[in-house]
Amino acid sequence: DAKTTQPTSMDCAEGRAANLPCNHSTISGNEYVYWYRQIHSQGPQYIIHGLKNNETNEMASLIITEDRKSSTLILPHATLRDTAVYYCIVRHTNKLIFGTGTLLAVQP
Amino acid sequence: DAGITQSPRHKVTETGTPVTLRCHQTENHRYMYWYRQDPGHGLRLIHYSYGVKDTDKGEVSDGYSVSRSKTEDFLLTLESATSSQTSVYFCATDDSSYNEQFFGPGTRLTVL
Repeated sequence: DAKTTQPTSMDCAEGRAANLPCNHSTISGNEYVYWYRQIHSQGPQYIIHGLKNNETNEMASLIITEDRKSSTLILPHATLRDTAVYYCIVRHTNKLIFGTGTLLAVQP
Repeated sequence: DAGITQSPRHKVTETGTPVTLRCHQTENHRYMYWYRQDPGHGLRLIHYSYGVKDTDKGEVSDGYSVSRSKTEDFLLTLESATSSQTSVYFCATDDSSYNEQFFGPGTRLTVL
């Protein structure tokens, strides 16, 4: 599975959009990009995934570059409850390989 | 949320004792996974199952064994617990390589 690179931490003001970047320059054509988040001491929570097209659901939007070497998770209106560690994962088998993720701190 | 429960939720044990953690699901998912999480690390896969009696190793399987005798239950056993196995253990399930994995609430294990 391809490795991902994410910033260690980010801040975002409450009510503003949070844009979380992820680099996955070695991604293969059949590998999906998944995003999960983990709120303190809870089990990870699925957010969204995509292959090559941009995706949107009720939680977030996923923007994947045309060359698929990077992606951005967008939380359109961050709230204090969005403070969590966000994991970007490249997956082509049933196994998820977690990195250390980005700690997003939403500030009031 | 998928119906995933883990038991016990907290356990303190002594070095050298056997420990079994249980994961129970009500979603009839084919795949089940055990992860551990330590400070400064993301989750790391210990073992997984792709069906009843079908299991395979993950990236940190040494010192652990698993069993799956029925679809809904996946057991993780530490035959002789060590202090390095102090961790939070998460179970997860899914029904396809391309669908979301659902995670349980975790089990905090302390080995003294």
